[in-house]
Amino acid sequence: QKEVEQNSGPLSVPEGAIASLNCTYSDRGSQSFFWYRQYSGKSPELIMFIYSNGDKEDGRFTAQLNKASQYVSLLIRDSQPSDSATYLCAVNMEGSYIPTFGRGTSLIVHP
Amino acid sequence: NAGVTQTPKFQVLKTGQSMTLQCAQDMNHNSMYWYRQDPGMGLRLIYYSASEGTTDKGEVPNGYNVSRLNKREFSLRLESAAPSQTSVYFCAVRGAGGTYNEQFFGPGTRLTVL
Repeated sequence: QKEVEQNSGPLSVPEGAIASLNCTYSDRGSQSFFWYRQYSGKSPELIMFIYSNGDKEDGRFTAQLNKASQYVSLLIRDSQPSDSATYLCAVNMEGSYIPTFGRGTSLIVHP
Repeated sequence: NAGVTQTPKFQVLKTGQSMTLQCAQDMNHNSMYWYRQDPGMGLRLIYYSASEGTTDKGEVPNGYNVSRLNKREFSLRLESAAPSQTSVYFCAVRGAGGTYNEQFFGPGTRLTVL
């Protein structure tokens, strides 16, 4: 069974801090990696994707990928209460364009 | 431009009843998906349709059937509902072109089976 693992949390950080969310995956041949944000009672929405080793920055968000260690992370700088949500890691396993989702990490940013 | 729509938003069924969840998209994309989301379980793929006229099983297809009626619509049917099917159901559409790897989700249907 090919898996995507996340710590369910909750991860609690103060406003203005850096939130670090981590995800590991089992399929070494995976090529595409995604972070979705899901507010309570709402549907997931894509916030970041990364395909190559290294860092990818978009505003306050940075995705980091390390294929050798099979992990992908999401950093949120200057965290805001509006960032409080569940963050889902998704991975396209080798040969598939259908993502496998992790169980999600709940993030709470407190004022 | 509504993107992906789902009906109904909420539904309560009794064990053994049947119902169909509807999904429609105005994005003119080929691939559509049905997921269920349970607390602590993440999103699990039930069925998907790569294009009009084709459907395939996902991770948890038992107890469900699907129909890809046309390019716009992809429905999910529960023939005999069970309490284990209490969940939130999301329909998703795969992007195309520059968003080909992105999944666009509908607002969800919250189903309770008593």
